[in-house]
Amino acid sequence: QAVLTQPSSLSASPGASASLTCTLRSGINVGAYRIYWYQQKPGSPPQYLLRYKSDSDKQQGSGVPSRFSGSKDASANAGILLISGLQSEDEADYYCLIWHSSAWVFGGGTKLTVL
Amino acid sequence: EVQLVESGGGLVQPGGSLRLSCAASGFTFSSYWMHWVRQAPGEGLVWVSRINSEGSSTSYADSVKGRFTVSRDNAKNTLFLQMSSLRAEDTAVYYCARVESPYDSSGPAIWGQGILVTVSS
Repeated sequence: QAVLTQPSSLSASPGASASLTCTLRSGINVGAYRIYWYQQKPGSPPQYLLRYKSDSDKQQGSGVPSRFSGSKDASANAGILLISGLQSEDEADYYCLIWHSSAWVFGGGTKLTVL
Repeated sequence: EVQLVESGGGLVQPGGSLRLSCAASGFTFSSYWMHWVRQAPGEGLVWVSRINSEGSSTSYADSVKGRFTVSRDNAKNTLFLQMSSLRAEDTAVYYCARVESPYDSSGPAIWGQGILVTVSS
């Protein structure tokens, strides 16, 4: 089982909100981790969006709009990237990342379609 | 303006070696931890390696451990990735990336444009 699992795709409408999940493998407690989020558009390098561990331990990437925010769902053992007020330009691949067992580990990514 | 520019990629035969460079500008290179991340064609991101600001501490993904070596020359503002015993599955775009804040051991935050490495006979 992968360390981080992301749904392969998600669709949402312009103006709506989208919650992208990053589920940690059973036995790895989401509460202990800073979760990083990245956006990647075709043909471009990834862009750092934010990191989130708790409301007192979080960081927004430089220039990243506040409509991108992080949270956790402890019951689901998952990190969440919430994008509010979806825009067509938000259509991209989104990746989560954690530091686990002395290595950085990416999730498989979610392709977000805005239609 | 912060810039990271990778070079040294190209076509190499299986079992061969290649050295990637990442030229940094627009910030105090010697104060920042650095990462290498790769992305195979049509696939997701995979972390490869990281090095601390002084160059005295490194970490690697299991898939490249013993084959790849990360290093840096702070006097020349350059990050390196020496790759040996290359395999077809190492074919990818390789990105160098900087952390967000000085002396911070966090994840990659500012990324270069990437360089393609193709391992094929």
